[in-house]
Amino acid sequence: EVQLVESGGGLVQPGGSLRVSCAVSGFTFSSYWMSWVRQAPGKGLEWVGNIKQDGSEKNYVDSVKGRFTISRDNAKNSLHLQMNSLRAEDTAVYYCARGRGGFGPWGQGTLVTVSS
Amino acid sequence: QSVLTQPPSVSGAPGQRVTISCTGSSSNVGTDHDLNWYQQLPGTAPKLLIYGNTNRPSGVPDRFSGSKSGTSASLAITGLQAEDEADYYCQSYDTSLSAYVFGAGTKVTVL
Repeated sequence: EVQLVESGGGLVQPGGSLRVSCAVSGFTFSSYWMSWVRQAPGKGLEWVGNIKQDGSEKNYVDSVKGRFTISRDNAKNSLHLQMNSLRAEDTAVYYCARGRGGFGPWGQGTLVTVSS
Repeated sequence: QSVLTQPPSVSGAPGQRVTISCTGSSSNVGTDHDLNWYQQLPGTAPKLLIYGNTNRPSGVPDRFSGSKSGTSASLAITGLQAEDEADYYCQSYDTSLSAYVFGAGTKVTVL
């Protein structure tokens, strides 16, 4: 069974940092692009970024460039999102998803709240 | 403001057919990039419903179908069921933004 399980969300102050992770099982993780997509409370979906199978290529939405970094550990079947200089508008549920367009399957998401 | 435009809501009685439109431009829907659809049931993560404009992943009922023409795409749900009440999102790649983009979502209500 394919599973993606996010962790690491929580409350962080504006300007702070947080690292969320996604543990993957049930498919050959190293064979797929992986993506992060977020959803602000009561709002729609926003693509955050993606990473190539070997980590050699990463792409980000403009609003997080220079602040967020995606990484992966193929040996541990895990995906990470390091978020720095967090802003109130980064408050959202963060989902990891397989693929880079035609995202699927998805994890259950982890809530990141940026507030003082 | 989403670059892909969807109606905020559509509704239909059980058994009816409903369609959701997704209108974009020559830099997204009008390109050769795939148009995909997602279903998000209340309180759950999104699920890939249609990929590559018209294809259904394994397990998705054939009541769901997708189409694309020019700068517009549509999702049709035939034989509407109560379990289809959800938010539906279209998604493509925008070559001007160099980013994957979603529509704002359409809430489907079964009357």
